[in-house]
Amino acid sequence: QVQLVQSGAEVKKPGASVKVSCKASGYTFSDYYIHWVRQAPGQGLEWMGWINPNRGGINYAQKFQGRVTMTRDTSLSTAYMELSRLRSDDTALYYCARSFGIGRFDYWGQGALVTVSS
Amino acid sequence: QSVLTQPPSVSAAPGQKVTISCSGSSSNIGNNYVYWYHQVPGTAPKLLIYDDNKRPSGIPDRFSGSRSGTSATLGITGLQPGDEADYYCATWDNRLSVVVFGGGTKLTVL
Repeated sequence: QVQLVQSGAEVKKPGASVKVSCKASGYTFSDYYIHWVRQAPGQGLEWMGWINPNRGGINYAQKFQGRVTMTRDTSLSTAYMELSRLRSDDTALYYCARSFGIGRFDYWGQGALVTVSS
Repeated sequence: QSVLTQPPSVSAAPGQKVTISCSGSSSNIGNNYVYWYHQVPGTAPKLLIYDDNKRPSGIPDRFSGSRSGTSATLGITGLQPGDEADYYCATWDNRLSVVVFGGGTKLTVL
């Protein structure tokens, strides 16, 4: 069965970076885009961008341009999202999701909580 | 403020029907498919409706979707206590070049 398993919770200080992983199984990793969506405590969903595991093409939301880097390791069927220059308002659950077409997120990871606190 | 506008909350009794609206513009809903997700607090979102009105395997036909102009609607019939969750609409925005989500609607089954 399709699964996306994310890395664990992280606590970071303001200004630091965090790298979250998303390991895919149960399907051909390169056949589906991986998107990253975050959710601040008690808030709604916010799209961050996608990576095409096949050729590594990326598309970031303008809000995160310059701070986010999405990569993948096809040999490990794993996608990564690194966010730098962290601020307190980056505290959120970060989800990876597989997409079949833009917006159709049919499988989601369990989420990785990133807490930014001094 | 979300690009897509949803009511913050809706409620109805078990067995009843409820609709959740999602209002956007020509740069998003007006020209792109709409997707619906539900999220039980503490868990990841789950795809309910894709391409405006299609249901993934395993989603009962109590759930339906429609799109007209710059708005979309999620309908849920035969409400069950287990339907209590937050519901989000989503689509691509051509002007912003992002996937946009509605602010979410909390469904309470009275």
